[in-house]
Amino acid sequence: GAGVSQSPSNKVTEKGKDVELRCDPISGHTALYWYRQSLGQGLEFLIYFQGNSAPDKSGLPSDRFSAERTGGSVSTLTIQRTQQEDSAVYLCASSPPPHSGRRDTQYFGPGTRLTVL
Amino acid sequence: QKEVEQDPGPLSVPEGAIVSLNCTYSNSAFQYFMWYRQYSRKGPELLMYTYSSGNKEDGRFTAQVDKSSKYISLFIRDSQPSDSATYLCAMVGDQGSARQLTFGSGTQLTVLP
Repeated sequence: GAGVSQSPSNKVTEKGKDVELRCDPISGHTALYWYRQSLGQGLEFLIYFQGNSAPDKSGLPSDRFSAERTGGSVSTLTIQRTQQEDSAVYLCASSPPPHSGRRDTQYFGPGTRLTVL
Repeated sequence: QKEVEQDPGPLSVPEGAIVSLNCTYSNSAFQYFMWYRQYSRKGPELLMYTYSSGNKEDGRFTAQVDKSSKYISLFIRDSQPSDSATYLCAMVGDQGSARQLTFGSGTQLTVLP
């Protein structure tokens, strides 16, 4: 079946502009995560959605970052007034429902490579 | 100190060699351990998932967990050039509803033909 998809695959923007990154999770997966991966670094957790519960935003680095998930499916990560330090690969992942016994199995999309000039 | 430490490498081995990749962690709340493989410009893919101390084998891959030492390893037997990738360890606790993984920084592996 289809995996996690993300768009765009690459985004180049100018400092100060806003960007929107999109994630389509695997159908039936209730959990959705956003991570950021900088060059030579591990994955940094940003935000987590589980079903209709309030999202866990504890990883968002500043109030310029926000995310929403519409209808329990597609998610959009928005970065306002982008800075050069925002340049990274933004990865989205989804997981099966908690009752599936595999809720820690995260399936990743290919990522969006963001470059802020 | 990072919660999860992983030697970034790079690690270069000849084809057929046994590869050992390792992570240490400081948070005793971590109960579930994973290894992900990430090819260049791709998202990570899950290789191994384990939750108990000891060994778990899957084909050429063996995951080893030692909770008393807070140390996990991934062994690759008969390594192939197609194993060339970055390997990330990841772990998660059993508390609360949030299930975000804590990742190591990844080890870059090259298997030379």
